[in-house]
Amino acid sequence: SQQGEEDPQALSIQEGENATMNCSYKTSINNLQWYRQNSGRGLVHLILIRSNEREKHSGRLRVTLDTSKKSSSLLITASRAADTASYFCATDAAGGSYIPTFGRGTSLIVHP
Amino acid sequence: EAGVAQSPRYKIIEKRQSVAFWCNPISGHATLYWYQQILGQGPKLLIQFQNNGVVDDSQLPKDRFSAERLKGVDSTLKIQPAKLEDSAVYLCASSSPTRLGRLNTEAFFGQGTRLTVV
Repeated sequence: SQQGEEDPQALSIQEGENATMNCSYKTSINNLQWYRQNSGRGLVHLILIRSNEREKHSGRLRVTLDTSKKSSSLLITASRAADTASYFCATDAAGGSYIPTFGRGTSLIVHP
Repeated sequence: EAGVAQSPRYKIIEKRQSVAFWCNPISGHATLYWYQQILGQGPKLLIQFQNNGVVDDSQLPKDRFSAERLKGVDSTLKIQPAKLEDSAVYLCASSSPTRLGRLNTEAFFGQGTRLTVV
């Protein structure tokens, strides 16, 4: 079974708009990571947030983590056509073997 | 820094045939993962190595899948015999267990091998 589940499954926006994706998970975690996957390519690590952190920024990316709700969100501001990709959250269970476990992903399409 | 290398990029085989995938992780990365990604789904872990020892292979179908990591560097994943449902992208990833003195699970992925079983 997959630990993290992203929402929505698909998101279609215009260039310049913001995109928000959510991730919910079931058990306590050490870290939560967001990855991007372009069609037919490998996954690229975007950002890691630790369980004791609430918010992190990296360029146009903003990630929040609410451990009480077991959820995280990824915000991409001022989106570009090049942001079109699938986005996955990956969690590693606290007390476990620290293996990144992925959800099904959110497919983002940014229209030029 | 060179990334994770995988080969081949694509493979088409008939069911019941055998296939092998190869992965060369980033130099110095002790942890190596093999994931299976079926179309439209997220990657599912098959096996994790720490150096040349297996950490977790609970989701590896051991009746047909095998993996090894000789000398704690390169790794091969084999399927014998293949089934139609094994059609997927097989992703190899590596990570360094600690970064700046803290536990690190940021994984670097290869481009994957797309397997089609017909």
